[in-house]
Amino acid sequence: QVQLQESGPGLVKPSETLSLTCTVSGFPVSSNTYYLSWIRQSPGKGLEWIGYIYYSGSATYNPSLTSRVTISIDTSKNQFSLKLRSMTAADTAVYYCACSSGRLFDSWGQGTLVTVSS
Amino acid sequence: SYVLTQSPSVSVAPGRTARMTCGGNKIETKSVHWYQQKPGQAPVLVIYYDSDRPSGIPERFSGSNSGNTATLTITGVEAGDEADYYCQVWDSTSDDQAVFGGGTKLTVL
Repeated sequence: QVQLQESGPGLVKPSETLSLTCTVSGFPVSSNTYYLSWIRQSPGKGLEWIGYIYYSGSATYNPSLTSRVTISIDTSKNQFSLKLRSMTAADTAVYYCACSSGRLFDSWGQGTLVTVSS
Repeated sequence: SYVLTQSPSVSVAPGRTARMTCGGNKIETKSVHWYQQKPGQAPVLVIYYDSDRPSGIPERFSGSNSGNTATLTITGVEAGDEADYYCQVWDSTSDDQAVFGGGTKLTVL
């Protein structure tokens, strides 16, 4: 059974870098079967895809965020991570990690709320 | 970039049929996936590749995709179906990215 769990700070100061980790159970992140994604949802708003990473370490990002985002993978810990630089209030959101075997999202973490405030 | 358009809200009485649409340019050429999100919860995949249902999703949920519109249909709507529903495609034409619609709020009267 696939399970994902996000972890990281709930509060980030403006201009700082957000670092979140998604711990995966049920399959190895080194598997060539799965795409590992980050998705966010601002309060009261819709879903926004941030990017994904493949087992090889190759990552693809939302063009609107590509200058600020890095997704990486740690096969030794069976985790993948998100870094989002230069945070502003507009980045306040629930951040989800998700995975799939195709270009969709069939397993999601519970989400973690990140607030940007000084 | 590719844009998906969903109506903000749909209301339906229990037992009736709810239809939610997702509009996009030649969306029939893309695979459409649908997610249900209840308040305070993560989204759940309810339809994938236009019309397939994941295990555990009731047969009351169905999907179709033709022309410029994809449709999620819920027959025999129940109170527990009240949620936000999002459509999603993968845009590989201009950018390689996932695109979500703005979501439709289903209200069960």
